[in-house]
Amino acid sequence: DAEITQSPRHKITETGRQVTLACHQTWNHNNMFWYRQDLGHGLRLIHYSYGVQDTNKGEVSDGYSVSRSNTEDLPLTLESAASSQTSVYFCASSEKLDTGELFFGEGSRLTVL
Amino acid sequence: GQNIDQPTEMTATEGAIVQINCTYQTSGFNGLFWYQQHAGEAPTFLSYNVLDGLEEKGRFSSFLSRSKGYSYLLLKELQMKDSASYLCAVTDSNYQLIWGAGTKLIIKP
Repeated sequence: DAEITQSPRHKITETGRQVTLACHQTWNHNNMFWYRQDLGHGLRLIHYSYGVQDTNKGEVSDGYSVSRSNTEDLPLTLESAASSQTSVYFCASSEKLDTGELFFGEGSRLTVL
Repeated sequence: GQNIDQPTEMTATEGAIVQINCTYQTSGFNGLFWYQQHAGEAPTFLSYNVLDGLEEKGRFSSFLSRSKGYSYLLLKELQMKDSASYLCAVTDSNYQLIWGAGTKLIIKP
């Protein structure tokens, strides 16, 4: 069965460290997204990609970067982790933008000390 | 700005019916979605409305009124496993999903 997986599921790091969260999907979807979810907020879009070599900034992109070298993967990098980036991160993919059905990974809980 | 409002928390009784409301103000509209999210898990797709009216899917139904910027999710014959957060999201004119903060639904026996 097709799926979308994230790793690591849990990560504790220190302020200033670089962190990369991996996202791998076998749906063969062109559209991939990274969200963060914090208590009291809806899902907030960090970065997204509509295909290989395409990346775009979302509403909370400062301090994050992504790259899309193939269809399956969209790694999210925190260049210099800050305590404000402590959150749960979800990767998602979709086949179509208009129907909007997103398939989510299980989430990565990141703690920045 | 773009905004989606839904109640923070609701409580209902097992076997009963509950309606979760969602109002939205967005730049354009290309569809409204409901997702279910159990604690500690990822959101999963429940329903999609793009035209006015009611969409029924088993115990769950979703209603949309585009002129009022309003939707609701109706859950019937509530079960304990329905305890979860329910997320309302709207696709705007740029096909970006705008998310509400979610409604935590607590089911009591």
